[in-house]
Amino acid sequence: QPVLTQPPSASASLGASVTLTCTLSSGYSNYKVDWYQQRPGKGPRFVMRVGTGGIVGSKGDGIPDRFSVLGSGLNRYLTIKNIQEEDESDYHCGADHGSGSNFVWVFGGGTKLTVL
Amino acid sequence: QVQLVESGGGVVQPGGSLRLSCAASGFTFSSYGMHWVRQAPGKGLEWVAFIRYDGSNKYYADSVKGRFTISRDNSKNTLYLQMNSLRAEDTAVYYCAKSTGGGAIGGYFQHWGQGTLVTVSS
Repeated sequence: QPVLTQPPSASASLGASVTLTCTLSSGYSNYKVDWYQQRPGKGPRFVMRVGTGGIVGSKGDGIPDRFSVLGSGLNRYLTIKNIQEEDESDYHCGADHGSGSNFVWVFGGGTKLTVL
Repeated sequence: QVQLVESGGGVVQPGGSLRLSCAASGFTFSSYGMHWVRQAPGKGLEWVAFIRYDGSNKYYADSVKGRFTISRDNSKNTLYLQMNSLRAEDTAVYYCAKSTGGGAIGGYFQHWGQGTLVTVSS
């Protein structure tokens, strides 16, 4: 099953842009990754799914146009433009793996985004 | 809109049992697969279990296999997680999450509840 790696922290100034990275382990370059936002003290919410061709399907409910994704090789990126205070959250990436008789879902360790 | 409300969390001694519930509304519960996902204090997310829309297939993380059982009552729009032989490392906030389809293939966590805290301590 894939291992997803995320840097533990990132920061950006109000109004600036930031790109968060989720890296798949070797051999899983064709996998799609899902991004989730988790505000302090809240449950996660789905942001969007990304493959090597970019977004897959639709964004989650209420996700603004400032959020976008790209995929390249083993990396899946979430970019937030014109960062707002409400974007300060933990961002988790996840992926499903399996077929037939067994499935698992895996997550990266999460990246804590601080808005300066 | 989709609402998922977890309940049943609390403090339990190591080796004890607890049953979590997740009341669903705002969608046709019997048409969707459902998950349990947990988050230990200060840690990342960990997937726990999945159940197909009709309950015919269930999958578990290795860390809980043989100790936890996921089930659902489609007549009550409710998802359950029976947790036995609890350990300190099971301490976490437990979230239920709605999948994007009825089965496991290609599904992700489309909607989440607010979670219920389980603390395993003597």
